Amino acid sequence: AQKVTQAQTEISVVEKEDVTLDCVYETRDTTYYLFWYKQPPSGELVFLIRRNSFDEQNEISGRYSWNFQKSTSSFNFTITASQVVDSAVYFCALSEAPSGGSYIPTFGRGTSLIVHP
Amino acid sequence: GAGVSQSPSNKVTEKGKDVELRCDPISGHTALYWYRQSLGQGLEFLIYFQGNSAPDKSGLPSDRFSAERTGGSVSTLTIQRTQQEDSAVYLCASSLGGAGGYEQYFGPGTRLTVT
Repeated sequence: AQKVTQAQTEISVVEKEDVTLDCVYETRDTTYYLFWYKQPPSGELVFLIRRNSFDEQNEISGRYSWNFQKSTSSFNFTITASQVVDSAVYFCALSEAPSGGSYIPTFGRGTSLIVHP
Repeated sequence: GAGVSQSPSNKVTEKGKDVELRCDPISGHTALYWYRQSLGQGLEFLIYFQGNSAPDKSGLPSDRFSAERTGGSVSTLTIQRTQQEDSAVYLCASSLGGAGGYEQYFGPGTRLTVT
């Protein structure tokens, strides 16, 4: 069974601080996909990134970066020089490639990030 | 292009009434998901449709919940005899395919309040 743990329920930082959101996953499959989604106060979840299990390269997109480490089953998300607009709930999700089953992603419980001006 | 749309955006209903929530996925997306999100909680999977395959209903919390998807496009989630614990935001998402590697595109949700 797949499981995603986001141990940080809420993080509060001051603008321009760097912040890392942790995501730890469990899966028995060798083929799987990891995602991060952002849910701003307006409520609509927005896709941020997808990684597959065969690609451990870290990725950077502007102030956002992701560190995928299979050895620790983690897919952490770092925001550099945080801004007030980064305030949102961030969800990590895992999707396995089942044999005959349904592709239903498992979401973590989310981390609420509050960036103070 | 148009994203996932849901209607109504808000619904207030009395306990015991039936409600229908609608989801219009992105055109061409074969996979459609319904989730429920209670205040401050994560996403609870409800049901999944992929193409013409039988839906995966493993997340439906009771037989008061049902959903259908007509013509592989629009989906309707029906809750019969609503209870106060059904109050939540109901989210719909679609993806290009059913394979696990496709990201989901979410609608704005329907906020259901059962009084």
